[in-house]
Amino acid sequence: DVKVTQSSRYLVKRTGEKVFLECVQDMDHENMFWYRQDPGLGLRLIYFSYDVKMKEKGDIPEGYSVSREKKERFSLILESASTNQTSMYLCASSLRQGAVQAFFGQGTRLTVV
Amino acid sequence: DQQVKQNSPSLSVQEGRISILNCDYTNSMFDYFLWYKKYPAEGPTFLISISSIKDKNEDGRFTVFLNKSAKHLSLHIVPSQPGDSAVYFCAARKPTGANNLFFGTGTRLTVIP
Repeated sequence: DVKVTQSSRYLVKRTGEKVFLECVQDMDHENMFWYRQDPGLGLRLIYFSYDVKMKEKGDIPEGYSVSREKKERFSLILESASTNQTSMYLCASSLRQGAVQAFFGQGTRLTVV
Repeated sequence: DQQVKQNSPSLSVQEGRISILNCDYTNSMFDYFLWYKKYPAEGPTFLISISSIKDKNEDGRFTVFLNKSAKHLSLHIVPSQPGDSAVYFCAARKPTGANNLFFGTGTRLTVIP
């Protein structure tokens, strides 16, 4: 079974802090994704990566950056956390380009106060 | 531009009855359609999929129907159980590209005992 693991289930951070969300997958998948889920807005793609050190902006990249130094790890960085970044963050991975299915981590509920 | 739409944000159904969740899409290049199920504080998990060359796929209590001419698919759950209460996301796949999965905004299903 594919396992996608996010480092934290719940996080509380202060406005202005730099926040790191970590994600690791154990199935040698090429593609990794960061989404945020908000009520009524569904899953919105923040960034994705199709290879080590490669990244592409998704639909809502503002205020975020990412890092993929190793194939199995994809980090989401909130440069200066703001209250409107309070959300559920979901990491996902898929095997390669054209893969049918994405596999999700358990999610990180981030609250910025 | 939302290519996959779920127009019903919520649905309530009595236990034992049929639940029907609907999804519409706009891009005729989509070749696979998937349904994901998400419980609170957990990541989405894959439920069932259908290829665009089929019009029905069944897996136990879950059946997905695809109407390509109408660009519409639906998920039927029969009989509905309280444990089915979750948010259901429809997704559609383009055959190429690393970012090839497009999600709807989700429908929250509540099965009333």
